[in-house]
Amino acid sequence: SQQGEEDPQALSIQEGENATMNCSYKTSINNLQWYRQNSGRGLVHLILIRSNEREKHSGRLRVTLDTSKKSSSLLITASRAADTASYFCAPRRDNYGQNFVFGPGTRLSVLP
Amino acid sequence: EAEVAQSPRYKITEKSQAVAFWCDPISGHATLYWYRQILGQGPELLVQFQDESVVDDSQLPKDRFSAERLKGVDSTLKIQPAELGDSAMYLCASSATGNYGYTFGSGTRLTVV
Repeated sequence: SQQGEEDPQALSIQEGENATMNCSYKTSINNLQWYRQNSGRGLVHLILIRSNEREKHSGRLRVTLDTSKKSSSLLITASRAADTASYFCAPRRDNYGQNFVFGPGTRLSVLP
Repeated sequence: EAEVAQSPRYKITEKSQAVAFWCDPISGHATLYWYRQILGQGPELLVQFQDESVVDDSQLPKDRFSAERLKGVDSTLKIQPAELGDSAMYLCASSATGNYGYTFGSGTRLTVV
């Protein structure tokens, strides 16, 4: 298992602005996933990007992956107050039974 | 949409008492995880099951914590005796074999007083 480290630890923006958060990891991966956690709730799977992909979109989410730099970024466009949450990245080394080691996450606050 | 069920949602217990949490994963998900999350931190894995077998419990404080998944379906996590430092959110997650993503439950918020 390996841990992803999110950066920044906290981010505060105005509604309508874009939010970018980054993830770094240490070893080679099969895929990397992003999760969101609203206050007091469980984590929700947002998006998965495979090691042979460079960019992936899902609605207002855009994820990039640079395996040479061992980093990923999550961009939320036109943010809304409902996007206020903590965001975690989860690098996965293989397909079989590996568990995730979560970092501290990025706490995003979207101000109305 | 299928969900991971956890109960209770909230639990307040006194120090030195026993406490138990229950998790029912998504039907057919062979892998089940228990995570502990202290406020302001990321989730920390306590135990991972594959069917009824423990795959990883290296971070489980075995002097006071125990976990079981007897029939490879639902699971119980127990703490005995509870300590003040056990106050946290306890999250259960499940995943299908070969599937990459986890589905998390809403968690149990434990407060030890």
